[in-house]
Amino acid sequence: EPEVTQTPSHQVTQMGQEVILRCVPISNHLYFYWYRQILGQKVEFLVSFYNNEISEKSEIFDDQFSVERPDGSNFTLKIRSTKLEDSAMYFCASMRSGSTDTQYFGPGTRLTVL
Amino acid sequence: KNQVEQSPQSLIILEGKNCTLQCNYTVSPFSNLRWYKQDTGRGPVSLTIMTFSENTKSNGRYTATLDADTKQSSLHITASQLSDSASYICVVRNDYKLSFGAGTTVTVRA
Repeated sequence: EPEVTQTPSHQVTQMGQEVILRCVPISNHLYFYWYRQILGQKVEFLVSFYNNEISEKSEIFDDQFSVERPDGSNFTLKIRSTKLEDSAMYFCASMRSGSTDTQYFGPGTRLTVL
Repeated sequence: KNQVEQSPQSLIILEGKNCTLQCNYTVSPFSNLRWYKQDTGRGPVSLTIMTFSENTKSNGRYTATLDADTKQSSLHITASQLSDSASYICVVRNDYKLSFGAGTTVTVRA
């Protein structure tokens, strides 16, 4: 069964450094998402992406974040200058189509900012 | 503000017993409601999805209900198994944005 994959599974970085989190969505899916989950807290929406552009973003997704679908298969989240509070689990999700379709989540990347 | 509240925060049940989890939401306009199961350190996995017109949806031992008038949903787990130990998250969709509840942590003990 096709699944969403994410790399790396765990990323450790120094405060102020740039990180890129990578996701490979399910191949025939058209909608892509990033979420984050700070340890012990609820999952939070970051951004949705469709037709090569951001369709919605939350207040968390400020200028230090960006997303890209560089080659038609990968979907990346870049954090330009990481802060301690960016430490969290980051989940990518993809959906084939439609509001009643299911979003399939990847296994997540645990980001630790020191 | 779109909010999703879940109760209880956590519960412990014996293997083979049933349990019911609650979800209240204020998301508007409502598109659909999903229940996800999230194992520790893993991504959420969809259990059920219900639209406005559906009041019950089952997936094996999981049965979800929806009352769109009172904006409440429940997830019933029948004959619990050790593998049911996880966080169960209620997620309400508004257009293409999802609002997540904090989850109920279920621990099933032998």
